[in-house]
Amino acid sequence: AQRVTQPEKLLSVFKGAPVELKCNYSYSGSPELFWYVQYSRQRLQLLLRHISRESIKGFTADLNKGETSFHLKKPFAQEEDSAMYYCALRESSASKIIFGSGTRLSIRP
Amino acid sequence: DSGVTQTPKHLITATGQRVTLRCSPRSGDLSVYWYQQSLDQGLQFLIQYYNGEERAKGNILERFSAQQFPDLHSELNLSSLELGDSALYFCASSRGTFDYEQYFGPGTRLTVT
Repeated sequence: AQRVTQPEKLLSVFKGAPVELKCNYSYSGSPELFWYVQYSRQRLQLLLRHISRESIKGFTADLNKGETSFHLKKPFAQEEDSAMYYCALRESSASKIIFGSGTRLSIRP
Repeated sequence: DSGVTQTPKHLITATGQRVTLRCSPRSGDLSVYWYQQSLDQGLQFLIQYYNGEERAKGNILERFSAQQFPDLHSELNLSSLELGDSALYFCASSRGTFDYEQYFGPGTRLTVT
């Protein structure tokens, strides 16, 4: 069965430090991986998807099929990055998205 | 606001009762998804409707049911409520059925006492 694991419930880093939010998945086929973000008092929204291979708000994520990981990274954290981050997976040609349990990122000034 | 709307924002009810949560998708979106978020778990996918028909099912209990109406709004019915049903219930919508980006509503917080 498909599963998305985010091992850290809370990650606290200082402003300017690098950030890495971990995500591992289990799926035998070719999944689509996403990161969603929820800022304080805002709605959950898509941050990025692995297919686009783009950098959004300084964040990047590389799909590593060998390690079945899709970690989210940013070289220099900013205070406005504080939010709840969810890793998500979708089977190819399917509509259902499976979310991880989320990691709360807190950036200390 | 042309985004996803959900009513009510908060709902407090007793065990054994039945409630209905309502969701209106973004204008033009045909798919509606329901998710449950409880304290100890992440977002759990419940069910998806596309243009009035059930499209995908997740971990939805038999006590829960949903439907999508001709005007595309959707309702999630929760019956024989238990304390463990207390959670945030999110609705999301997308244009089609395979869209990767889902647009989320603000959620309905259900408290069962």
